[in-house]
Amino acid sequence: SQQGEEDPQALSIQEGENATMNCSYKTSINNLQWYRQNSGRGLVHLILIRSNEREKHSGRLRVTLDTSKKSSSLLITASRAADTASYFCATLPNSGYSTLTFGKGTMLLVSP
Amino acid sequence: DSGVTQTPKHLITATGQRVTLRCSPRSGDLSVYWYQQSLDQGLQFLIQYYNGEERAKGNILERFSAQQFPDLHSELNLSSLELGDSALYFCASSVLEGHGYTFGSGTRLTVV
Repeated sequence: SQQGEEDPQALSIQEGENATMNCSYKTSINNLQWYRQNSGRGLVHLILIRSNEREKHSGRLRVTLDTSKKSSSLLITASRAADTASYFCATLPNSGYSTLTFGKGTMLLVSP
Repeated sequence: DSGVTQTPKHLITATGQRVTLRCSPRSGDLSVYWYQQSLDQGLQFLIQYYNGEERAKGNILERFSAQQFPDLHSELNLSSLELGDSALYFCASSVLEGHGYTFGSGTRLTVV
């Protein structure tokens, strides 16, 4: 079952524009992570934000977390064609031994 | 190269057959996770091993089994294969539970 649900399912923008993807989840979390997957390839870890953090930056990536709304957003600034990929949020529940549960992802297409 | 090695990259087999997928985790990572990715179900967690011991079980069918060996490599065995088992199977590893996962490039299984 999916814990995180990304929105939108697909996003198409031009190079240089910003891309924002959202993730909502249902249960209390320890942390939330974002991953990128190029078509048919393995997932690549982008950024991890802990439940006590509200915002985190990494290069052109900005992630926010609102635990009261159980939601997170991933902002990619100044998008490039190479950012074309699927982006997944994954949540780690706040209970005992647990593993990441992934959403179904947002497909981002950045056109030159 | 992520450091997580999966073999084979592609596998085509007939219904009813049995296959073994292999994964070598990144050096130093004690946790190994197996995920199944299909278009309709997204990324589904199957099973986790930590330092040779089964740690967590997800939506893994009884026809599927896995193990982690003393050298920490892991194998996922899929038997009595059905058409619906066609999917991408990913192995991931992490140094600590709850940290970011490093994914392999996956094994694409096609059951005909």
